[in-house]
Amino acid sequence: DAKTTQPNSMESNEEEPVHLPCNHSTISGTDYIHWYRQLPSQGPEYVIHGLTSNVNNRMASLAIAEDRKSSTLILHRATLRDAAVYYCILRASNFGNEKLTFGTGTRLTIIP
Amino acid sequence: DTEVTQTPKHLVMGMTNKKSLKCEQHMGHRAMYWYKQKAKKPPELMFVYSYEKLSINESVPSRFSPECPNSSLLNLHLHALQPEDSALYLCASSQGANLRRAGRNEQFFGPGTRLTVL
Repeated sequence: DAKTTQPNSMESNEEEPVHLPCNHSTISGTDYIHWYRQLPSQGPEYVIHGLTSNVNNRMASLAIAEDRKSSTLILHRATLRDAAVYYCILRASNFGNEKLTFGTGTRLTIIP
Repeated sequence: DTEVTQTPKHLVMGMTNKKSLKCEQHMGHRAMYWYKQKAKKPPELMFVYSYEKLSINESVPSRFSPECPNSSLLNLHLHALQPEDSALYLCASSQGANLRRAGRNEQFFGPGTRLTVL
């Protein structure tokens, strides 16, 4: 699987938007971009995924660059519950590939 | 029910003990996974079961032995572990491999079993 690069840590104020960047310059044309997060003392949870177009769901938005070499996870209004490690993961779309390869992720701190 | 349950929550064992970790899901998922996570590190994949058959073993030492008795259950049998095997062991599940959804299936994780090997 192609690699991703994320900042080690970020801080944001409560109730403000948060933009979490991810670089994936070696992404292939059929790789999906997935985001998971891991809250303290919990297992990871799925946040969102996309291929080419921007995506929205109830948790977040995913903005994908036109060349697909980078993406940004957007939390529209951060709460203290959003403090977690956020992982950007590329997944190949070949049949039977069910692997998730986690990188080091971004530790997000929310300041009250 | 979108929950993956794992038992026990905590486990302390000696290097000569034999123990098992259990994982259960009732979402009809046909793929199940074991991950190992050391403190302050990301989860690392250990095993993948697809339709109750072992499909991926990430070169895990034989002292870890996975078992998938049916589509809802996943076990990890532990024997002769070392102190460096102390970690959080996470179980996950997802829909089975499917050509239409290749690369898109989300994984649902349990809360993990925190294992300490003395």
